[in-house]
Amino acid sequence: NAGVTQTPKFQVLKTGQSMTLQCAQDMNHEYMSWYRQDPGMGLRLIHYSVGAGITDQGEVPNGYNVSRSTTEDFPLRLLSAAPSQTSVYFCASSYFGQRGPRGAGYTFGSGTRLTVV
Amino acid sequence: DAKTTQPNSMESNEEEPVHLPCNHSTISGTDYIHWYRQLPSQGPEYVIHGLTSNVNNRMASLAIAEDRKSSTLILHRATLRDAAVYYCILRYSGGSNYKLTFGKGTLLTVNP
Repeated sequence: NAGVTQTPKFQVLKTGQSMTLQCAQDMNHEYMSWYRQDPGMGLRLIHYSVGAGITDQGEVPNGYNVSRSTTEDFPLRLLSAAPSQTSVYFCASSYFGQRGPRGAGYTFGSGTRLTVV
Repeated sequence: DAKTTQPNSMESNEEEPVHLPCNHSTISGTDYIHWYRQLPSQGPEYVIHGLTSNVNNRMASLAIAEDRKSSTLILHRATLRDAAVYYCILRYSGGSNYKLTFGKGTLLTVNP
């Protein structure tokens, strides 16, 4: 039972480069989401998905794209990296509604530490 | 979204109980109370959740006030591994409950 797997764990990009952060879950969760966490701050929602083929913007979506072609995968694309996107990125997933022992408690990945220089 | 208020930091001694408070005076009847914690350099981890009744699991207990305007996460015997930031979050129980809004949480320090 792998849970939520994020790759890579660390990445350094140059300004203007693009890249994709991968997120995969094996729990058949309907909801998936991406958060970023900056030093001393809480997590902020970037994008989320309520099922395959359905995505929507969160609190800080600018500069990021997402797609959800399968239930398992929810990649986050940085189109043209900027130093302001230096952060730790977390992917999370959960069931719809209250089913399951956690009653829609989220499972988080271990994060991707991204530095843009 | 209904908001929560937590102390910025708390301190405890190892093997003593810890009571982490959370105020949520604007909670609605359809909001579940969720607690997560984030250990240093890790992603948040689900701890416990409840609606109206007190809840227990292997990690902690959740005590919910009768009027539901506050709750307390109880760690029965704190260990050094419990040092983390603890987040109290309200989550709508209906279908559109995909968003978790994190505040700054409570930084728990456990002294040996």
